[in-house]
Amino acid sequence: EVQLVESGGGLVQPGGSLRLSCAASGFTFRSFSMNWVRQAPGKGLEWVSYISSSSSTIYYADSVKGRFTISRDNAKNSLYLQMNSLRDEDTAVYYCARTGTGVTVPLDYWGQGTLVTVSS
Amino acid sequence: DIQMTQSPSSLSASVGDRVTITCRASQSISIYLNWYQQKPGKAPKFLIYAASSLQSGVPSRFSGSGSGTDFTLTISSLQPEDFATYYCQQSYSTLGRTFGQGTKVEIK
Repeated sequence: EVQLVESGGGLVQPGGSLRLSCAASGFTFRSFSMNWVRQAPGKGLEWVSYISSSSSTIYYADSVKGRFTISRDNAKNSLYLQMNSLRDEDTAVYYCARTGTGVTVPLDYWGQGTLVTVSS
Repeated sequence: DIQMTQSPSSLSASVGDRVTITCRASQSISIYLNWYQQKPGKAPKFLIYAASSLQSGVPSRFSGSGSGTDFTLTISSLQPEDFATYYCQQSYSTLGRTFGQGTKVEIK
C-alpha cells in the first residue's frame, strides 16, 4: 500500500524557516517524481514544487521561487521542503503527492498533510 | 502561466441528480487534464486522468470529457458520498501544474 506521511509543520513567525518532510513507503520511491501542494485555510489547492526521480529537474511556483527548496533522499525514501523567509500567506496545509505514470502524470497518491501556520 | 477556471464555484443537488462541472483552460492543453475529489479535512483523491480515463476503483457514475480548452466532469447519479469539492488540474505545462479554484457540491 502506498503511504505518504508528512511531518515538520507548526507555528513559525514571519521571516522564519521550517523544513517539511514526507516519508514514502509501499512503492519504489526512487522511480517516481514528487510534488508539494498546499491549501490555505478555506481555499483551493495550489501546486508548490516538483522534483524528478533523480532530482535533476526541479520546478517551483512563482509564489515560492527563491524562498523554498525541494529536495529528496532516495536512500531514505524521503522528500523535503525547506521553507525560508516565510510570509503570512504561506499559512496552509502542505501535502506531498506522487506523480503517477499515466500520460497526463496525475498526482495519484497524497499524504494527509501537515499544517504550517505563519503568524507573530 | 496556464489558468484554469471552473464553473460553477458551488452547486446544490439532490441524491440521484445528474451533476456537471466545467473546467476551462486559458490555452489549449490537449487532454492534459486531471480531476480530483476532496472531502472536508481530507487529502484530495485522484479520480480521472487524460480528461476522460477513470482511475482504477472510481465508480462508473463519474465521467470526464473534453479536449483543448473545455472540459467537463459529470456525475450521472449523485450519491451521498459524492458531496465534496472537485478540482481540475492541468498537467500540460511542466512549469506549473495549476488547479482550478474548485467546485463545491452540496446537498440540496
